[in-house]
Amino acid sequence: GAVVSQHPSWVICKSGTSVKIECRSLDFQATTMFWYRQFPKQSLMLMATSNEGSKATYEQGVEKDKFLINHASLTLSTLTVTSAHPEDSSFYICSAREGGQRISNQPQHFGDGTRLSIL
Amino acid sequence: GEDVEQSLFLSVREGDSSVINCTYTDSSSTYLYWYKQEPGAGLQLLTYIFSNMDMKQDQRLTVLLNKKDKHLSLRIADTQTGDSAIYFCAEREPGTYKYIFGTGTRLKVLA
Repeated sequence: GAVVSQHPSWVICKSGTSVKIECRSLDFQATTMFWYRQFPKQSLMLMATSNEGSKATYEQGVEKDKFLINHASLTLSTLTVTSAHPEDSSFYICSAREGGQRISNQPQHFGDGTRLSIL
Repeated sequence: GEDVEQSLFLSVREGDSSVINCTYTDSSSTYLYWYKQEPGAGLQLLTYIFSNMDMKQDQRLTVLLNKKDKHLSLRIADTQTGDSAIYFCAEREPGTYKYIFGTGTRLKVLA
């Protein structure tokens, strides 16, 4: 159980293109999903917390107009990198947490990540 | 802010035990986690421990928590080559569901 699917796994596109990444919880409902960015040989940096049916909460220094997050259902959150440039190239990972506020000890389950390369 | 620190590298021989250490700074953290990341992949949850526990064992994995010293460790018994990966500890930020990840320990298992 607790499988998170992330798509696509790898994308290469030209500078100026917008890229959408999907994160789905396959066998559970996730009221909260998280988007991380990971640079080579580094730890995960939280970009934003995605809440179903409401606006995402962005971490300090993350441009919300650059990284658009939509969490329209209990099983799907999307991250759109708008007008991507080479400096946006990175490994993006999503995670999902099962249940609502009452289930306090449910851990985050992670997708397999999306490697984004902007030429 | 909180910092979660880990040693960067660990090398062990196949069949030996591995011990990966983690120190954290927020004593009010309630949950602490261990994740495994293989090359080019996401994170796989290995185990987690609640702060009122000192130890948790799950097959080859043993987690020890020393709250006084804010020290967390993951012991892998009978380490196999398939255990080679990066291991991240994480603490849940008090009052939120956000995680603060450690720097990651790269475990290399020598055949």
